[in-house]
Amino acid sequence: NAGVMQNPRHLVRRRGQEARLRCSPMKGHSHVYWYRQLPEEGLKFMVYLQKENIIDESGMPKERFSAEFPKEGPSILRIQQVVRGDSAAYFCASSPQYSGGISYEQYFGPGTRLTVT
Amino acid sequence: QKEVEQDPGPLSVPEGAIVSLNCTYSNSAFQYFMWYRQYSRKGPELLMYTYSSGNKEDGRFTAQVDKSSKYISLFIRDSQPSDSATYLCAMKLYNNNDMRFGAGTRLTVKP
Repeated sequence: NAGVMQNPRHLVRRRGQEARLRCSPMKGHSHVYWYRQLPEEGLKFMVYLQKENIIDESGMPKERFSAEFPKEGPSILRIQQVVRGDSAAYFCASSPQYSGGISYEQYFGPGTRLTVT
Repeated sequence: QKEVEQDPGPLSVPEGAIVSLNCTYSNSAFQYFMWYRQYSRKGPELLMYTYSSGNKEDGRFTAQVDKSSKYISLFIRDSQPSDSATYLCAMKLYNNNDMRFGAGTRLTVKP
């Protein structure tokens, strides 16, 4: 059973460009979460999605960031007009169906390291 | 004050030592407590979770939660070089979408 897959693993963008990060959840998992990790800091929750539905985006910056999880295909985290402060590791996690809000049982992908030059 | 505090270390121990990793928190409403292990350049891996107070054991790992002190611990017995990683604590409320992570403690187990 393949784990959570993320691509690309490394992404370099110039300021002002767009970054698209993709995440394929584990087979059978219907919930996807995106986190950002800065050096020496913990993971910061960004958004929680189910297929075709954003459940909670309270951790997403109000501008330039968006996420989707379409009926077919991977979840996408999109960052428009990137700035240097967007440089970080972005992790996706998935979980099975869970009724108590965000699941405690999350399986993480290897992350995408975004560098903005 | 951060909601979840975790000493970043680094912590270095000889092989075979007992390791104690800790987190403190300020929100007394947290009910689920998790420990993740993260190897360098990899995603976090769920090690253990505990609901409410008490102890939980899994092989060489023991998780403890003391809700009265708002303090959680992860003990690693007979530590191995392969345990060298960053350990993240995390916690959440039931029926809530907000999960908070500690900054992680970097552990090195020397052969």
